[in-house]
Amino acid sequence: EVQLVESGGGLVQPGRSLRLSCAASGFTFDDYAMHWVRQAPGKGLEWVSGISWNSGSTPYADSVTGRFTISRDNAKNSLYLEMNSLRAEDTALYYCAKVLKDRSGQKGVFDIWGQGTMVTVSS
Amino acid sequence: EVVMTQSPAALSVSPGERATLSCRASQSVSSNLAWYQQKPGQAPRLLIYGASTRATGIPARFSGSGSGTEFTLTISSLQSEDFAVYYCQQYNNWPRTFGQGTKVEIK
Repeated sequence: EVQLVESGGGLVQPGRSLRLSCAASGFTFDDYAMHWVRQAPGKGLEWVSGISWNSGSTPYADSVTGRFTISRDNAKNSLYLEMNSLRAEDTALYYCAKVLKDRSGQKGVFDIWGQGTMVTVSS
Repeated sequence: EVVMTQSPAALSVSPGERATLSCRASQSVSSNLAWYQQKPGQAPRLLIYGASTRATGIPARFSGSGSGTEFTLTISSLQSEDFAVYYCQQYNNWPRTFGQGTKVEIK
């Protein structure tokens, strides 16, 4: 079964750091780009960052550029999000997501999602 | 960034009726448009990509159309399990952007 399991969320004070992890199973992890998408309580979806299969490309949303760093360890089938200088507006459920691959290649859409890990930034 | 605008914000539909959801992009995204369904307490589920291609396992009552800046998701005959929030997402440009969602409610 294809599965993504996020961890590492919690309550953190503004200005502090947190590292999220996403454990992948059931597919060949290093064949796929991976992404983080977040959802503030009661709000819509916001794409945060993505990483290519070989870590050669790591785009970010403007709202997190310079504060968040995405990375992956293909040997451990794991995706990470290092979050620094956290702000109240970073409070959200953070999902990791796998991109779809069809016969014509990888697409920038997300066909498998984890259940998310909640990050709350508050003093 | 490409701004995605969905309408309406909420839609009340009776079971068995047709629902039509719209998504507009602030600039052309070609056919690089996806639709997701999200139910309370669940992760989003991919329904449609490439504007009109159903993802694996998605029932035929879901269909997508459009290209450029105007897109539509149609649910031909709403079932009880279809009441949810629907999001569009463009993947033609960075950053990837989502619409604000359309909530489909039971009438």
